[in-house]
Amino acid sequence: QVQLVESGGGVVQPGGSLRLSCETSGFKFSDYGMHWVRQAPGKGLEWVAFIRFDGSNQYYPDSVKGRFTVSRDNSKKTLFLQMSSLRAGDTAMYFCARIADNTFDFWGQGTLVTVSS
Amino acid sequence: QTVVTQESSLSVSPGGTITLTCALSSGSVSTGHWPSWYQQTPGQSPRTLMSRTNIRSSGVPDRFSGSILENKAALTITGAQADDEDIYYCVLYLGSGIWVFGGGTKVTVL
Repeated sequence: QVQLVESGGGVVQPGGSLRLSCETSGFKFSDYGMHWVRQAPGKGLEWVAFIRFDGSNQYYPDSVKGRFTVSRDNSKKTLFLQMSSLRAGDTAMYFCARIADNTFDFWGQGTLVTVSS
Repeated sequence: QTVVTQESSLSVSPGGTITLTCALSSGSVSTGHWPSWYQQTPGQSPRTLMSRTNIRSSGVPDRFSGSILENKAALTITGAQADDEDIYYCVLYLGSGIWVFGGGTKVTVL
């Protein structure tokens, strides 16, 4: 079955960097676009990044553009999110999700990022 | 900046019908926005309910249905059950690789 497992979260100081990973299994990773979505404590979902199936294009909302970079290694079936210049407002649970038919069809369990001094 | 708006909270009686909506600040929602809906229990990851406006995901009961209603995406629960008490999110595809989530609707069954 499809599985997405995020890792790499933790506590980081403001201005710091962190790299999240999303290891996948149960499907042909190289056929699917992938997303990162975050959820601040007690808040709603916010789309953070999208990368096409072949890594050819990446997209971001203005809130993270220029600070976050999404990438993937299709040989290792793994998705990444490199986050830099982190702010308190980036504190959230970060989920990876698979995209199919423009739907976030499978989600991981999330990894928690806390930005605090 | 485009905003997607959902009702913040709604309530329904057990067995009743409730409709959640998903509106776009820049205009009408259409099937071209590929509306999809997600159910989330606090502390858990979202569960996909509906894709492409009205296609139920595997295992989703048929009391859930999706549509476009008065220029908004809509999720209707017919015959609500206690288990349906959760937070529901819509997301719209704006094109050019950009998605926007709504703020979520907390549904109470009482």
